[in-house]
Order: sequence, then structure tokens, then C-alpha cells
Amino acid sequence: GQNIDQPTEMTATEGAIVQINCTYQTSGFNGLFWYQQHAGEAPTFLSYNVLDGLEEKGRFSSFLSRSKGYSYLLLKELQMKDSASYLCAVADWQKLSFGAGTTVTVRA
Amino acid sequence: DGGITQSPKYLFRKEGQNVTLSCEQNLNHDAMYWYRQDPGQGLRLIYYSQIVNDFQKGDIAEGYSVSREKKESFPLTVTSAQKNPTAFYLCASSIRLASDEQYFGPGTRLTVT
Repeated sequence: GQNIDQPTEMTATEGAIVQINCTYQTSGFNGLFWYQQHAGEAPTFLSYNVLDGLEEKGRFSSFLSRSKGYSYLLLKELQMKDSASYLCAVADWQKLSFGAGTTVTVRA
Repeated sequence: DGGITQSPKYLFRKEGQNVTLSCEQNLNHDAMYWYRQDPGQGLRLIYYSQIVNDFQKGDIAEGYSVSREKKESFPLTVTSAQKNPTAFYLCASSIRLASDEQYFGPGTRLTVT
């Protein structure tokens, strides 16, 4: 099975940078996903890492270290609309296992 | 427009009744999934299906049943055996299992009283 840990809540100011960490222990690894979920809505895909290193996509970047069982999602130039829950999910060969999510609140 | 639809958005039932949640996709995806989300928690996998007429139990399958008679459809039945059925239910699909991005439907919020 999978054991996935991420912080429960984070708060940051508009325009700032926030880093959301995710650590995992897995019995099989086939990549790590980050999803964004606004309250009451469906999750939407942000990023996928299967190899070590940094993937950059606009204001969002995601990093993976397989040897350390560690990933982070970096949100730059925070906007009010970035207030949401961010879900870390680890894939084995058949399915995803999700962390509990990190609620990010962006303050003006 | 391709996507996943779930209906209804809100559903109310009395305890002891079975209820079926609909999930339809027109993305031509092989794999489909059902998740449950409770307040302050992540998504927990109920059932998943890689192909028509085949499905597997996820982490919390007890009290639920599914069918996959068509590629486009993956309905979930919440039975009276499910002890705590009130939750937000999300259906998702992907091209293949696991390593592909999952696309989620808008969800059904089920309340059982």
C-alpha cells in the first residue's frame, strides 16, 4: 500500500511563493501527480513526475526525488484564485493513492 | 465537447435504501474509477475498471457495487450495507490505468438520513 503525507494547511500572501511538500512510502511506484481542487468541485490535473527532477509549467513547478520518497509543488506569483486544496497522488501499476490534501489560503 | 458527467449533483436518500450514482464519459477512455471524499480527507478509491466487463475492488469497496457493461458507463450502487454512505462521490477516467492523467466528473453529493 501507500502512505502519503502532506501538510494540512498553508497560508500565503498574494504575489508570494508557496511550497507544498509531499512524502510517500510505496510498495510500487509509477509516478506522482499533483491535482488542484476548489471547494465543492472536481480535482483538476496540475502535474506528473515519473523521473527525478523539476518540471515547470507556468507559475507551477513540481519536483520529485524517488530515492527520498519526496515531492513538492511550488506555486509562484500567488493569485487569489489559487486558494484551493492541493492533492498529492502516487501511482502504482494499477491505481492512484491520494494524500489528504493541503488547503492553501491566499490573503490579499 | 468530451468529458465526464455525473448525475445528479445532489442526492438525498433514507437509510436502508440502495442508491445508484451515474457516471458517463465520452473520452473513449478504457479505465474508470470511483472515489469517495469526506470532509478534510483525500480521495479514497472504491472501485476501478480497466476494461468493459472487468472491475477491481479499491481500498474501501465494502457496501458498494459497480458494473461496467459499456465502455462509456460505470455506475456505482451504494447499498444499505454501507455504514456511513453520506459523502462526496467522484467518478474519473483515464486512457489507461494509473500512469495516465485522470479526468474527473463534477461529483455527486449523497446525503443519507
